[in-house]
Amino acid sequence: NAGVTQTPKFRILKIGQSMTLQCTQDMNHNYMYWYRQDPGMGLKLIYYSVGAGITDKGEVPNGYNVSRSTTEDFPLRLELAAPSQTSVYFCASSYPSGGRWDIQYFGAGTRLSVL
Amino acid sequence: QQQVKQSPQSLIVQKGGISIINCAYENTAFDYFPWYQQFPGKGPALLIAIRPDVSEKKEGRFTISFNKSAKQFSLHIMDSQPGDSATYFCAASIERRATNKLIFGTGTLLAVQP
Repeated sequence: NAGVTQTPKFRILKIGQSMTLQCTQDMNHNYMYWYRQDPGMGLKLIYYSVGAGITDKGEVPNGYNVSRSTTEDFPLRLELAAPSQTSVYFCASSYPSGGRWDIQYFGAGTRLSVL
Repeated sequence: QQQVKQSPQSLIVQKGGISIINCAYENTAFDYFPWYQQFPGKGPALLIAIRPDVSEKKEGRFTISFNKSAKQFSLHIMDSQPGDSATYFCAASIERRATNKLIFGTGTLLAVQP
């Protein structure tokens, strides 16, 4: 099992460029999440999805867009990249607990620099 | 009210010592409190978790202590080892909302010296 796979691992963007961060999971999880991690700030939720076709904003959604056309994939789109979007981005997935412990499984992250 | 405050920001412990990381929350609706461990260059991974119906949970050298009245919970790492050197995040969520959304603390960078 690959778990949660994120691509690319590293990327440098120029201000104003756009890009899509890819995330795919092979655990048949309904729930998927995008976080950004900045030094000393912990992880902040950008967007999440509870199933294909359903997405919702998290704590810091401005400047980002998502889509969820399949259970497996949850891409994050950056339009008009800004230096404030320099961060490490993590995708995660989880299975509704149904009384079990909720565990979010994280990918290895994408390190993005906007210059 | 959605914040989870974590301290200290960094911690240095000698091998064999006890590492203690503390977290505090305001929202009494939180009903699930996990700790995640993150090694450099990796994503966070669940270490241990607790629900507020118990005051303590132990798994091996890792223990969560939970104080519902004080709205605080802490992670204790007994007999700390160099392999425990990582960043630790506490988190909280409201499970009954069925979105599994986690609110993370700001993280503690633990260094265990040999």
